[in-house]
Amino acid sequence: AQTVTQSQPEMSVQEAETVTLSCTYDTSESDYYLFWYKQPPSRQMILVIRQEAYKQQNATENRFSVNFQKAAKSFSLKISDSQLGDAAMYFCAYRRGQGGKLIFGQGTELSVKP
Amino acid sequence: DTAVSQTPKYLVTQMGNDKSIKCEQNLGHDTMYWYKQDSKKFLKIMFSYNNKELIINETVPNRFSPKSPDKAHLNLHINSLELGDSAVYFCASSPFRDRRNSPLHFGNGTRLTVT
Repeated sequence: AQTVTQSQPEMSVQEAETVTLSCTYDTSESDYYLFWYKQPPSRQMILVIRQEAYKQQNATENRFSVNFQKAAKSFSLKISDSQLGDAAMYFCAYRRGQGGKLIFGQGTELSVKP
Repeated sequence: DTAVSQTPKYLVTQMGNDKSIKCEQNLGHDTMYWYKQDSKKFLKIMFSYNNKELIINETVPNRFSPKSPDKAHLNLHINSLELGDSAVYFCASSPFRDRRNSPLHFGNGTRLTVT
């Protein structure tokens, strides 16, 4: 069975600095997709970034980028120039290539200090 | 122009009652999901429907019964509520054909509190 692990329950970053959130996963599939979701206190689940496993190039969305290491089964999220609005719970998620359910990690609570 | 909407937003009820949560999406997706987020914020799939057909049914007590009258709606009915059912329940949707890279679009959640 596929699993997703986020080993950092909490992280903190100074405003305007860079922070990296870690995620590892376990799967025997070769075709899959990875996502980072953000959940602010409002409880919304907001897609931050997605990565196809067959693509070697790391995905980037403005200040958000990933470091995808397929062999190591690692998928970390880098947030550059952190802003107060980035404070939220961040979830790493996995979905196999044939579709189906999204499997989530335990989440990392990110706080941003002014 | 809400994409995935759930009602109610908050639900407070007593043990033993029966309650329903409704979900509707206007994204034209044909696959919908129910997720449960527990007190530690862990998100776990409960059910998934594709075109009104149940395709995912995780180990959930049979007090929970999903119903999909059409592909735009997925409701969750819970019988004989227990204290442990207190959680946030999220509805989500995604397209089926392009599901390989499709993220799930989530509703804003329903916070259920059982007293």
